[in-house]
Amino acid sequence: DADVTQTPRNRITKTGKRIMLECSQTKGHDRMYWYRQDPGLGLRLIYYSFDVKDINKGEISDGYSVSRQAQAKFSLSLESAIPNQTALYFCATSDQTSGVQSTDTQYFGPGTRLTVL
Amino acid sequence: AQKITQTQPGMFVQEKEAVTLDCTYDTSDQSYGLFWYKQPSSGEMIFLIYQGSYDEQNATEGRYSLNFQKARKSANLVISASQLGDSAMYFCAMRDYNYGQNFVFGPGTRLSVLP
Repeated sequence: DADVTQTPRNRITKTGKRIMLECSQTKGHDRMYWYRQDPGLGLRLIYYSFDVKDINKGEISDGYSVSRQAQAKFSLSLESAIPNQTALYFCATSDQTSGVQSTDTQYFGPGTRLTVL
Repeated sequence: AQKITQTQPGMFVQEKEAVTLDCTYDTSDQSYGLFWYKQPSSGEMIFLIYQGSYDEQNATEGRYSLNFQKARKSANLVISASQLGDSAMYFCAMRDYNYGQNFVFGPGTRLSVLP
């Protein structure tokens, strides 16, 4: 089974609808992230969480909210979806390095392709 | 603020030849890590290679090597003996090991391997 799973994998919705994207991980990592990917822009950080009680805004948090229900679960919500939120969304996890350089990378889910009409 | 620049939106390479994908970064931190990821058309993100800022030798992983030039703040990915399956998007990313420890990604380079 995959270490990081995302549901749904694809979603088409209409402007104004509320959408929730879910992420689960079995890596045992404390840190979880939500990114969106747009052509030519790479991955941009929406929200990140260092543990269940520590949630932080990323570069592009407007229009999004998150919930860290447990160490293993991190959900992203679009309260009122708009067409420019059409993108590929990735959840990722990483371990904390305690300031020591580490090869620990981020582990990505398979992505959710969201289309807002 | 940290920033990653990848100046090649698209690259072509002939099968079996080597190719270099450019990456420059900007940071004021002394302790950081540099990562390369591959994203095939199926969409998943695949970790390829890592270089720490204190590593004196360039990282290598199979056909992948990272040409790390710290003074120039560059971390180019070299793929030797290109294969058709190397056709994908490639992202350079940086992680600082002090404040935040978050990852910052470049815009990516699309590599096409020609038969």
